[in-house]
Amino acid sequence: EAQVTQNPRYLITVTGKKLTVTCSQNMNHEYMSWYRQDPGLGLRQIYYSMNVEVTDKGDVPEGYKVSRKEKRNFPLILESPSPNQTSLYFCASSLDAGGRTDTQYFGPGTRLTVL
Amino acid sequence: AQKITQTQPGMFVQEKEAVTLDCTYDTSDPSYGLFWYKQPSSGEMIFLIYQGSYDQQNATEGRYSLNFQKARKSANLVISASQLGDSAMYFCAMREGIQGAQKLVFGQGTRLTINP
Repeated sequence: EAQVTQNPRYLITVTGKKLTVTCSQNMNHEYMSWYRQDPGLGLRQIYYSMNVEVTDKGDVPEGYKVSRKEKRNFPLILESPSPNQTSLYFCASSLDAGGRTDTQYFGPGTRLTVL
Repeated sequence: AQKITQTQPGMFVQEKEAVTLDCTYDTSDPSYGLFWYKQPSSGEMIFLIYQGSYDQQNATEGRYSLNFQKARKSANLVISASQLGDSAMYFCAMREGIQGAQKLVFGQGTRLTINP
């Protein structure tokens, strides 16, 4: 089944404790992206990647890191989480980033709480 | 400046009626794409429909159609014959930028409730 998977789905952690949210897609998509969703703000892009070893900042990159060492994986790293990073996080992927094939398909979401 | 505006925070519709969810966008880029996603209470984001800026015809996908008015910069989602399962949050989104440096920006969403 073609899908985007994220782990963990739920995470409660404490301020300053490094964490990684994994994202994997099995569709051989070139483009991957991370978003956070907060009430009243919709979804905002954190980082995106056009291909292996190519990443760029979205609209809210502060406090986050990403890497794209393999085409299928795009982990989101919070080196020192803070309470304002409590949010619902989505990973998404698309075949590429142009034309009709740039429709992004989303993972199930990761609900993160930072105490 | 807000690039995607959804002016209806919430809508209530009777089952089997058609419903239109509004979306206006702002861009100076001649090449862009417009998307609608559905987010049910379970939280996942489900792609519904896509419209490219150069597409001559309005997009349709089953009961979903996109009323694309380029000059007015609007891309309203029309759901025909609404069903109880259509109750969800709906997001309009726009992809803009040159290939290789593209971003997807979302509106704040419209919560649609279908009443039996």
